[in-house]
Amino acid sequence: QTVVTQEPSFSVSPGGTVTLTCGLSSGSVSTSNYPSWYQQTPGQAPRTLIYRTYTRSSGVPDRFSGSILGSKAALTITGAQADDECDYHCVLYMGSGTWVFGGGTKLTVL
Amino acid sequence: QLQLQESGPGLVKPSETLSLTCTVSGGSISSTSYYWGWIRQPPGKGLELIGSFYYSGSTYYNPSLKSRVTISVDTSKNHFSLKLSSVTAADTAVYYCARADYFYYYMDVWGKGTTVTVSS
Repeated sequence: QTVVTQEPSFSVSPGGTVTLTCGLSSGSVSTSNYPSWYQQTPGQAPRTLIYRTYTRSSGVPDRFSGSILGSKAALTITGAQADDECDYHCVLYMGSGTWVFGGGTKLTVL
Repeated sequence: QLQLQESGPGLVKPSETLSLTCTVSGGSISSTSYYWGWIRQPPGKGLELIGSFYYSGSTYYNPSLKSRVTISVDTSKNHFSLKLSSVTAADTAVYYCARADYFYYYMDVWGKGTTVTVSS
């Protein structure tokens, strides 16, 4: 079964830059997986940040950017702010109407 | 503005069937531009796709749940439903319904989620 890997946790200083990654247990992530990223604060539904690898969803500040780095999808946050502290989920499209979610990364800003 | 609203019992007994409905407002569930699906999140854990469908009738289920899951659609009521049979405590989770873009393959609209607890 396909497993999508994410760092369980990450820490960044206020104003700093952090890159979260999203990999596959077997093989490389490509744009054909249409990587998407979601931000989730406690008790809330996920909010779409990035889709189709690079595209920011409406209203998402340009501090958030998506890319492919090597064999993984990546979400980079520049100028981290206190309210960026939450969970980030990566999702990969596997074809035929199926998606696989990563386990999520808990980001701490301190 | 499309909205999704999950509804159903918040407490289900072990071995029974969990039943939830997602009501779609502000848009048609028969649109050719979207998939629709159910996603869940156990307490303190990540998100998991339960299954999805396209208006044409194609339905896809998570292999780990396939033997217990049924997703059905009622276009006249513009809603779709989830049934998960033989539940155990491991099925305790927040259940979300979501819409996924057919062209760029991402979840663009989410329901607020509903908490389902499996307990006697």
